[in-house]
Amino acid sequence: GENVEQHPSTLSVQEGDSAVIKCTYSDSASNYFPWYKQELGKRPQLIIDIRSNVGEKKDQRIAVTLNKTAKHFSLHITETQPEDSAVYFCAASYSGGGADGLTFGKGTHLIIQP
Amino acid sequence: EAGVAQSPRYKIIEKRQSVAFWCNPISGHATLYWYQQILGQGPKLLIQFQNNGVVDDSQLPKDRFSAERLKGVDSTLKIQPAKLEDSAVYLCASSLVVRGRETQYFGPGTRLLVL
Repeated sequence: GENVEQHPSTLSVQEGDSAVIKCTYSDSASNYFPWYKQELGKRPQLIIDIRSNVGEKKDQRIAVTLNKTAKHFSLHITETQPEDSAVYFCAASYSGGGADGLTFGKGTHLIIQP
Repeated sequence: EAGVAQSPRYKIIEKRQSVAFWCNPISGHATLYWYQQILGQGPKLLIQFQNNGVVDDSQLPKDRFSAERLKGVDSTLKIQPAKLEDSAVYLCASSLVVRGRETQYFGPGTRLLVL
């Protein structure tokens, strides 16, 4: 089955700086890679996703890049703000046009220092 | 639109007791998932339903866990008997596939503590 590794487990950055979280996956058939943000005691919320037919996707301060050859993908957050503090999870799945369960990484605790 | 609803939000039981969780997915979402999230880890898929049929339950500990989705809408997840290591947040998610693309939406979870 799929295995997703996520690094780092904790990331502390100064407010206004950029943050990068990296994930690798093992199953070359995986083609869908979402990122979820989870604040303490709350549900995971989808913040951005990418499918294997594109290499990069951007939404305001958030971007995701995908390298299919190396089987890794990354989340980039620019101009970080205090409200970005949370745990971020990457995930992977194979979507053959239908629904499929996600395999998650272990999460990155992002701390934005004021 | 209303999100995924789960109840109860919190549950404390003793080991060897039974417990059940309930999930109401977003209206119209055919696919429903149960995930287990142990403290400090990412969610782990337990079971996937498509309407009222099981698609994937390969990671469900079937000796103690069971789940059903009668009528293809609400779902219940049961643990009987519970073990200490079952302490976790149980997340329900539902999804809709549009033009071959799926997005999963999570409920608030049920936090289970087994003593």
